[in-house]
Amino acid sequence: GAVVSQHPSWVICKSGTSVKIECRSLDFQATTMFWYRQFPKQSLMLMATSNEGSKATYEQGVEKDKFLINHASLTLSTLTVTSAHPEDSSFYICSARDWNQPQHFGDGTRLSIL
Amino acid sequence: QKEVEQDPGPLSVPEGAIVSLNCTYSNSAFQYFMWYRQYSRKGPELLMYTYSSGNKEDGRFTAQVDKSSKYISLFIRDSQPSDSATYLCAMSASGGSNYKLTFGKGTLLTVNP
Repeated sequence: GAVVSQHPSWVICKSGTSVKIECRSLDFQATTMFWYRQFPKQSLMLMATSNEGSKATYEQGVEKDKFLINHASLTLSTLTVTSAHPEDSSFYICSARDWNQPQHFGDGTRLSIL
Repeated sequence: QKEVEQDPGPLSVPEGAIVSLNCTYSNSAFQYFMWYRQYSRKGPELLMYTYSSGNKEDGRFTAQVDKSSKYISLFIRDSQPSDSATYLCAMSASGGSNYKLTFGKGTLLTVNP
């Protein structure tokens, strides 16, 4: 149980394009979803928290216009990196949780901007 | 002082060894404690989840929480090469709707056959 699917697993795109990453909870309803960024050999850095049907809460220093988050249903959240540039290249990981349960993570998306 | 301290290793052990992984923390409000395993280029996988102090066992894994010392541990018995991964401790003050996790930096473990 508690499976979180993240898609795509790897994407390469040109600078200036927008990229959408999907995060789905497959066997539970995710009241809250989280988006993280992870640099090589470092721990996870929380970018934003989203509750279904509400605006996402962004961490300090994360540009909300750059990283658009939508949590339209209890099983789906999306992260769109707008006008991506090489410095946005990173490993993006989502997690999801139901009320009073621990977070379960997706397998991450490796984003490479050329 | 960082909120959560975790020795990054690397830690290398022979197959079959007992592995001890630890984290210390400074925030006395933390009540929920987790251990995640992360393989290279994958997302973290939840191994253990405990509330408040005490021990919890699941197969070869045992998690211990000592809130009085602000110290948590994960023990792996009969370690296998497939246990080679980065182990992240994580903790939270609240179990409510917007709770956030504070992570350790992770310990890289290699189990040699």
